Amino acid sequence: DSGVTQTPKHLITATGQRVTLRCSPRSGDLSVYWYQQSLDQGLQFLIQYYNGEERAKGNILERFSAQQFPDLHSELNLSSLELGDSALYFCASSPQLGTGINTQYFGPGTRLTVL
Amino acid sequence: GQNIDQPTEMTATEGAIVQINCTYQTSGFNGLFWYQQHAGEAPTFLSYNVLDGLEEKGRFSSFLSRSKGYSYLLLKELQMKDSASYLCAVRDLTGANNLFFGTGTRLTVIP
Repeated sequence: DSGVTQTPKHLITATGQRVTLRCSPRSGDLSVYWYQQSLDQGLQFLIQYYNGEERAKGNILERFSAQQFPDLHSELNLSSLELGDSALYFCASSPQLGTGINTQYFGPGTRLTVL
Repeated sequence: GQNIDQPTEMTATEGAIVQINCTYQTSGFNGLFWYQQHAGEAPTFLSYNVLDGLEEKGRFSSFLSRSKGYSYLLLKELQMKDSASYLCAVRDLTGANNLFFGTGTRLTVIP
Protein backbone atom coordinates (compact mmCIF):
# COMPACT_ATOMS: atom_id res chain seq x y z
CA ASP A 1 0.00 0.00 0.00
CA SER A 2 1.61 3.23 -1.22
CA GLY A 3 -0.51 5.53 0.95
CA VAL A 4 -2.06 7.19 -2.10
CA THR A 5 -5.81 6.62 -2.38
CA GLN A 6 -8.02 6.95 -5.42
CA THR A 7 -11.78 6.75 -5.83
CA PRO A 8 -13.71 5.27 -7.43
CA LYS A 9 -11.93 2.04 -8.31
CA HIS A 10 -14.13 1.43 -11.33
CA LEU A 11 -16.32 3.77 -13.35
CA ILE A 12 -18.57 2.88 -16.25
CA THR A 13 -20.25 5.67 -18.17
CA ALA A 14 -21.53 6.63 -21.59
CA THR A 15 -20.06 8.77 -24.35
CA GLY A 16 -20.66 12.47 -23.89
CA GLN A 17 -20.82 12.24 -20.12
CA ARG A 18 -18.62 13.90 -17.51
CA VAL A 19 -16.85 12.19 -14.60
CA THR A 20 -14.66 13.21 -11.68
CA LEU A 21 -11.81 11.10 -10.35
CA ARG A 22 -10.47 11.76 -6.88
CA CYS A 23 -7.01 11.33 -5.39
CA SER A 24 -5.63 11.77 -1.89
CA PRO A 25 -1.83 11.94 -1.72
CA ARG A 26 0.39 10.34 0.90
CA SER A 27 0.51 12.23 4.17
CA GLY A 28 2.96 15.10 3.82
CA ASP A 29 3.26 14.96 0.03
CA LEU A 30 2.67 18.29 -1.67
CA SER A 31 2.90 17.24 -5.30
CA VAL A 32 0.23 15.28 -7.18
CA TYR A 33 0.52 13.86 -10.70
CA TRP A 34 -2.13 12.39 -13.00
CA TYR A 35 -1.38 9.74 -15.60
CA GLN A 36 -3.42 7.89 -18.21
CA GLN A 37 -2.63 4.31 -19.20
CA SER A 38 -4.50 2.89 -22.16
CA LEU A 39 -4.45 -0.77 -23.10
CA ASP A 40 -0.94 -1.83 -24.10
CA GLN A 41 0.34 1.72 -23.87
CA GLY A 42 2.73 3.34 -21.49
CA LEU A 43 1.89 5.75 -18.75
CA GLN A 44 1.13 9.14 -20.25
CA PHE A 45 1.69 12.13 -18.00
CA LEU A 46 -1.33 14.42 -17.93
CA ILE A 47 -0.84 17.15 -15.35
CA GLN A 48 0.92 17.99 -12.09
CA TYR A 49 -0.05 20.12 -9.11
CA TYR A 50 2.21 21.32 -6.36
CA ASN A 51 0.77 22.74 -3.15
CA GLY A 52 -2.43 23.82 -4.88
CA GLU A 53 -0.97 25.26 -8.04
CA GLU A 54 -0.61 23.77 -11.50
CA ARG A 55 3.06 23.02 -12.03
CA ALA A 56 3.32 21.19 -15.34
CA LYS A 57 1.13 19.96 -18.16
CA GLY A 58 1.68 16.95 -20.35
CA ASN A 59 -0.55 15.42 -23.00
CA ILE A 60 -3.79 16.51 -21.42
CA LEU A 61 -6.78 17.10 -23.66
CA GLU A 62 -8.75 20.33 -23.41
CA ARG A 63 -11.78 18.26 -22.35
CA PHE A 64 -9.85 17.27 -19.23
CA SER A 65 -9.09 19.49 -16.27
CA ALA A 66 -7.79 19.07 -12.76
CA GLN A 67 -7.36 20.92 -9.53
CA GLN A 68 -5.70 20.49 -6.14
CA PHE A 69 -7.57 21.63 -3.07
CA PRO A 70 -6.22 23.24 0.15
CA ASP A 71 -6.23 19.84 1.89
CA LEU A 72 -4.00 18.67 -1.02
CA HIS A 73 -6.42 16.15 -2.46
CA SER A 74 -6.85 16.41 -6.21
CA GLU A 75 -9.62 15.82 -8.70
CA LEU A 76 -9.38 15.05 -12.40
CA ASN A 77 -12.43 16.05 -14.43
CA LEU A 78 -13.07 14.36 -17.76
CA SER A 79 -15.87 15.75 -19.92
CA SER A 80 -17.50 15.01 -23.28
CA LEU A 81 -16.20 11.49 -22.88
CA GLU A 82 -15.27 9.44 -25.93
CA LEU A 83 -14.73 5.71 -26.34
CA GLY A 84 -10.99 6.35 -26.58
CA ASP A 85 -10.92 7.81 -23.09
CA SER A 86 -11.39 4.34 -21.65
CA ALA A 87 -8.22 3.72 -19.67
CA LEU A 88 -6.65 3.33 -16.27
CA TYR A 89 -6.11 6.70 -14.61
CA PHE A 90 -3.40 6.82 -11.99
CA CYS A 91 -2.59 9.46 -9.47
CA ALA A 92 0.86 9.68 -7.92
CA SER A 93 2.32 11.86 -5.20
CA SER A 94 5.75 12.95 -4.07
CA PRO A 95 7.00 15.11 -1.23
CA GLN A 96 8.23 18.02 -3.30
CA LEU A 97 9.60 18.92 -6.71
CA GLY A 98 12.69 17.70 -8.52
CA THR A 99 15.33 17.61 -5.82
CA GLY A 100 16.96 14.36 -4.83
CA ILE A 101 15.26 11.05 -5.43
CA ASN A 102 11.77 12.41 -4.70
CA THR A 103 10.08 9.17 -5.75
CA GLN A 104 6.55 9.25 -7.12
CA TYR A 105 4.26 6.79 -5.34
CA PHE A 106 1.22 5.63 -7.27
CA GLY A 107 -2.34 5.07 -6.17
CA PRO A 108 -4.31 1.94 -7.16
CA GLY A 109 -5.90 3.69 -10.14
CA THR A 110 -9.40 4.26 -11.46
CA ARG A 111 -10.49 2.09 -14.36
CA LEU A 112 -12.75 4.14 -16.62
CA THR A 113 -14.90 2.41 -19.20
CA VAL A 114 -16.77 4.56 -21.69
CA LEU A 115 -19.57 2.72 -23.53
CA GLY B 1 11.34 15.89 -26.11
CA GLN B 2 11.86 12.44 -24.72
CA ASN B 3 12.18 9.07 -26.43
CA ILE B 4 12.45 5.94 -24.30
CA ASP B 5 12.82 2.45 -25.74
CA GLN B 6 12.44 -0.92 -24.06
CA PRO B 7 11.84 -4.39 -25.44
CA THR B 8 8.14 -5.19 -25.49
CA GLU B 9 8.30 -8.70 -24.07
CA MET B 10 10.80 -11.06 -22.47
CA THR B 11 10.58 -14.58 -21.12
CA ALA B 12 12.91 -16.12 -18.55
CA THR B 13 13.09 -19.22 -16.40
CA GLU B 14 12.48 -19.39 -12.68
CA GLY B 15 15.78 -19.12 -10.78
CA ALA B 16 17.59 -17.50 -13.69
CA ILE B 17 18.89 -13.95 -14.24
CA VAL B 18 17.31 -11.52 -16.69
CA GLN B 19 18.47 -8.12 -17.91
CA ILE B 20 15.92 -5.58 -19.16
CA ASN B 21 17.42 -2.78 -21.22
CA CYS B 22 16.25 0.79 -21.61
CA THR B 23 17.66 3.41 -23.96
CA TYR B 24 16.64 7.01 -23.84
CA GLN B 25 17.04 10.30 -25.63
CA THR B 26 16.03 13.37 -23.68
CA SER B 27 16.43 17.10 -23.94
CA GLY B 28 17.50 17.11 -20.29
CA PHE B 29 18.24 14.36 -17.78
CA ASN B 30 17.74 14.38 -14.03
CA GLY B 31 17.50 10.75 -13.06
CA LEU B 32 16.13 7.42 -14.21
CA PHE B 33 13.58 5.30 -12.37
CA TRP B 34 12.48 1.69 -12.70
CA TYR B 35 9.00 0.62 -11.66
CA GLN B 36 7.30 -2.76 -11.52
CA GLN B 37 3.68 -3.05 -12.55
CA HIS B 38 1.53 -6.15 -12.26
CA ALA B 39 -1.39 -6.26 -14.66
CA GLY B 40 -4.15 -3.87 -13.63
CA GLU B 41 -2.25 -2.67 -10.57
CA ALA B 42 -0.31 0.43 -9.61
CA PRO B 43 3.34 0.83 -10.60
CA THR B 44 5.63 0.29 -7.61
CA PHE B 45 9.05 1.91 -7.27
CA LEU B 46 12.07 -0.37 -7.71
CA SER B 47 15.17 1.76 -8.21
CA TYR B 48 16.65 5.15 -9.00
CA ASN B 49 19.89 6.10 -10.78
CA VAL B 50 21.19 9.59 -11.34
CA LEU B 51 24.95 8.92 -11.51
CA ASP B 52 26.72 6.36 -13.69
CA GLY B 53 27.12 2.94 -12.23
CA LEU B 54 25.30 0.11 -10.55
CA GLU B 55 22.77 0.37 -7.74
CA GLU B 56 22.03 -2.90 -5.98
CA LYS B 57 18.95 -3.64 -3.95
CA GLY B 58 18.54 -7.27 -2.99
CA ARG B 59 17.65 -9.36 -6.04
CA PHE B 60 17.28 -6.22 -8.17
CA SER B 61 20.08 -4.04 -9.55
CA SER B 62 19.97 -1.10 -11.92
CA PHE B 63 22.76 0.33 -14.04
CA LEU B 64 23.07 3.71 -15.73
CA SER B 65 25.38 5.12 -18.39
CA ARG B 66 24.48 8.74 -19.02
CA SER B 67 26.92 9.16 -21.91
CA LYS B 68 25.27 6.25 -23.74
CA GLY B 69 21.69 7.09 -22.72
CA TYR B 70 21.38 3.54 -21.44
CA SER B 71 20.13 1.73 -18.38
CA TYR B 72 19.34 -1.84 -17.47
CA LEU B 73 17.46 -3.57 -14.71
CA LEU B 74 18.92 -6.88 -13.58
CA LEU B 75 16.71 -9.37 -11.80
CA LYS B 76 18.41 -12.32 -10.13
CA GLU B 77 17.01 -15.60 -8.79
CA LEU B 78 13.80 -15.07 -10.69
CA GLN B 79 10.58 -16.01 -8.99
CA MET B 80 7.16 -16.59 -10.53
CA LYS B 81 5.89 -13.46 -8.79
CA ASP B 82 8.38 -11.40 -10.82
CA SER B 83 6.14 -11.86 -13.86
CA ALA B 84 5.07 -8.26 -14.47
CA SER B 85 5.76 -5.23 -16.62
CA TYR B 86 8.90 -3.25 -15.89
CA LEU B 87 8.74 0.46 -16.67
CA CYS B 88 11.73 2.67 -17.34
CA ALA B 89 11.11 6.39 -16.68
CA VAL B 90 13.31 9.43 -17.13
CA ARG B 91 12.99 12.64 -15.15
CA ASP B 92 13.54 15.89 -16.97
CA LEU B 93 15.43 19.00 -15.93
CA THR B 94 12.49 21.34 -15.48
CA GLY B 95 12.54 20.85 -11.73
CA ALA B 96 8.93 19.76 -11.76
CA ASN B 97 9.82 16.10 -11.07
CA ASN B 98 7.97 14.93 -14.17
CA LEU B 99 8.58 11.38 -15.32
CA PHE B 100 8.41 10.20 -18.91
CA PHE B 101 7.75 6.50 -19.18
CA GLY B 102 8.64 3.96 -21.79
CA THR B 103 5.93 1.52 -22.85
CA GLY B 104 7.32 -1.10 -20.49
CA THR B 105 8.72 -4.61 -20.84
CA ARG B 106 6.36 -7.46 -20.06
CA LEU B 107 8.38 -10.21 -18.35
CA THR B 108 7.01 -13.71 -18.13
CA VAL B 109 8.75 -16.12 -15.75
CA ILE B 110 8.24 -19.77 -16.64
CA PRO B 111 8.90 -22.83 -14.43
